[in-house]
Amino acid sequence: QVQLRESGPGLVKPSETLSLTCTVSGGSISGFYWSWIRQSPGKGLEWIGYVYYTGNTNYNPSLRSRVTMSVDTPKNQFSLKLRSVTAADTAVYFCARIRPGLRAPFDHWGQGTLVTVSS
Amino acid sequence: SYVLTQPPSVSVAPGQTARITCGENSIGSKSVHWYQQRPGQAPVLVVYDDGDRPSGIPERFSGSNSGKTATLTISRVEAGDEADYYCQVWESSSGWVFGGGTKLTVL
Repeated sequence: QVQLRESGPGLVKPSETLSLTCTVSGGSISGFYWSWIRQSPGKGLEWIGYVYYTGNTNYNPSLRSRVTMSVDTPKNQFSLKLRSVTAADTAVYFCARIRPGLRAPFDHWGQGTLVTVSS
Repeated sequence: SYVLTQPPSVSVAPGQTARITCGENSIGSKSVHWYQQRPGQAPVLVVYDDGDRPSGIPERFSGSNSGKTATLTISRVEAGDEADYYCQVWESSSGWVFGGGTKLTVL
């Protein structure tokens, strides 16, 4: 059974860079698209972007100028960097696998990690 | 930007049928996915491609999509179905878009 786990600092200062890693176990990162999604406290889900195992990426237009995603296939990990954060970036960040297929859903999710932006 | 409209809340008595809608002018031409999110947990896929169910999801969960509205239907609602439900579609200029979410309350 594929499992995903997010890791990274739970507190980031305003204007700094948020960095998270998702470790995939029970399956290979190769052959799949991998995504990051966030959820502000008490709010809905917001798609941040996805990265293919080859390194190709696609980002939410509203975050594109601040986001970078990458993949490390030997470590079976993929990562998120969000620059110039503000309090509005405080959220639970989830990583997820995209099921194979065109416009396919997210079939495996990590448990999520809370990142607070505060000085 | 592309917006999917869901009712903020739906209430239903145990054993009855809950219907949660997701609206957008062209949604009938897209594949809609639905997720269940219990408090403090990650979302779980319950319906994909309008009406298919992943393995392990009860047959009580079904979906449909036509015209301007996609619908998630939960038959014979149980207390354990109480959760937030989100629809999701791919839109070419926005990427993956989620609806605002619907809180299902089991009375």
